[in-house]
Amino acid sequence: EADIYQTPRYLVIGTGKKITLECSQTMGHDKMYWYQQDPGMELHLIHYSYGVNSTEKGDLSSESTVSRIRTEHFPLTLESARPSHTSQYLCASSENLLHQETQYFGPGTRLLVL
Amino acid sequence: KNQVEQSPQSLIILEGKNCTLQCNYTVSPFSNLRWYKQDTGRGPVSLTIMTFSENTKSNGRYTATLDADTKQSSLHITASQLSDSASYICVVSDRGSTLGRLYFGRGTQLTVWP
Repeated sequence: EADIYQTPRYLVIGTGKKITLECSQTMGHDKMYWYQQDPGMELHLIHYSYGVNSTEKGDLSSESTVSRIRTEHFPLTLESARPSHTSQYLCASSENLLHQETQYFGPGTRLLVL
Repeated sequence: KNQVEQSPQSLIILEGKNCTLQCNYTVSPFSNLRWYKQDTGRGPVSLTIMTFSENTKSNGRYTATLDADTKQSSLHITASQLSDSASYICVVSDRGSTLGRLYFGRGTQLTVWP
């Protein structure tokens, strides 16, 4: 069982609200990731980090932002939520190995924007 | 274009039966291929990982095969159990960047009936 946690698990919020999705891991992993997944579709990488103070945008354009102030913590923020942001958001982490590392996923946050 | 295609999209089998899921990919240069299991409402969990030189990898009742020449992989589940009901995702990593870019399939939704 991976030691990676996400809160909240479910969130229903109105349009225009600011939200922060929390992700934390206790494995000491350097690399962390945020993915977006719609039902029946593949995971899309939206943000990743190599370590503290490192953040990069992924393949899927996203209006969200991330920060990496501590190794174990990688929160994702939406300044103004819209219905198009409704999706499942998965956080993952991995060791800093070249190409061979396995990503460990959190349980996900299901976001519904009304 | 790097892609991962999985078939079938969904599958229903009776408890105790075997099944095989397919994955075809066009990712190049190839680094490794993973199969993940994703329960409903949860994050994916790694089942197997295979590099270029590996043809078969087992994890309990799960056996994955890889044919790097034809760029095909399969996941065979033996003596299925109700708990095997989940989405099975094929993930291929390339060697083209330090991130080890991951390409996700859309998954095969397996339902095991009693």
